[in-house]
Amino acid sequence: DTEVTQTPKHLVMGMTNKKSLKCEQHMGHRAMYWYKQKAKKPPELMFVYSYEKLSINESVPSRFSPECPNSSLLNLHLHALQPEDSALYLCASSQEGQPNTEAFFGQGTRLTVV
Amino acid sequence: GESVGLHLPTLSVQEGDNSIINCAYSNSASDYFIWYKQESGKGPQFIIDIRSNMDKRQGQRVTVLLNKTVKHLSLQIAATQPGDSAVYFCAEIPNQAGTALIFGKGTTLSVSS
Repeated sequence: DTEVTQTPKHLVMGMTNKKSLKCEQHMGHRAMYWYKQKAKKPPELMFVYSYEKLSINESVPSRFSPECPNSSLLNLHLHALQPEDSALYLCASSQEGQPNTEAFFGQGTRLTVV
Repeated sequence: GESVGLHLPTLSVQEGDNSIINCAYSNSASDYFIWYKQESGKGPQFIIDIRSNMDKRQGQRVTVLLNKTVKHLSLQIAATQPGDSAVYFCAEIPNQAGTALIFGKGTTLSVSS
């Protein structure tokens, strides 16, 4: 199984809503990532979890709150988002440690904030 | 085949041509590089990777070249097919603690029959 599964595929939310994005992998990867991708742009790193601990936060606003409940799951909790937060949110996972190996990406959640 | 020396946001080729997509990376400490393909509405898909101790690596119909002197990476696709139409991103991982995969600018490849 080399899949990273993200749910939901599409999400429309109002600026006062609270929602969560979910990501799951069963490859035994201990590094998991959230990326944000705007149209016609490369994915931008948001958060990295290593062994279920947050290791990188790329100065992401607090309205985005990541959570890693266990080694297979990664969540992104959303609250009070702005229309400019509309984007494709990608989850990825990889083996942790050296040498580095490729990251496997999910299909993404297309988020629209209205 | 089509060849570009500098990064261009789009590349249009005929089916059967060879395609070359270029990428300049930023961090001289990067020691691992990946090319990803992203089709519309999908997540990035791994194509091929290369480590900094190599300058060339071949896969099925694809070849990656690494020039560390000028911090340049290229992806060559042989006999390009319509199914190769997508956005292609290079990505790097610096050999430093506290870093992760960083994507370069993408190139949209359009293949016409």
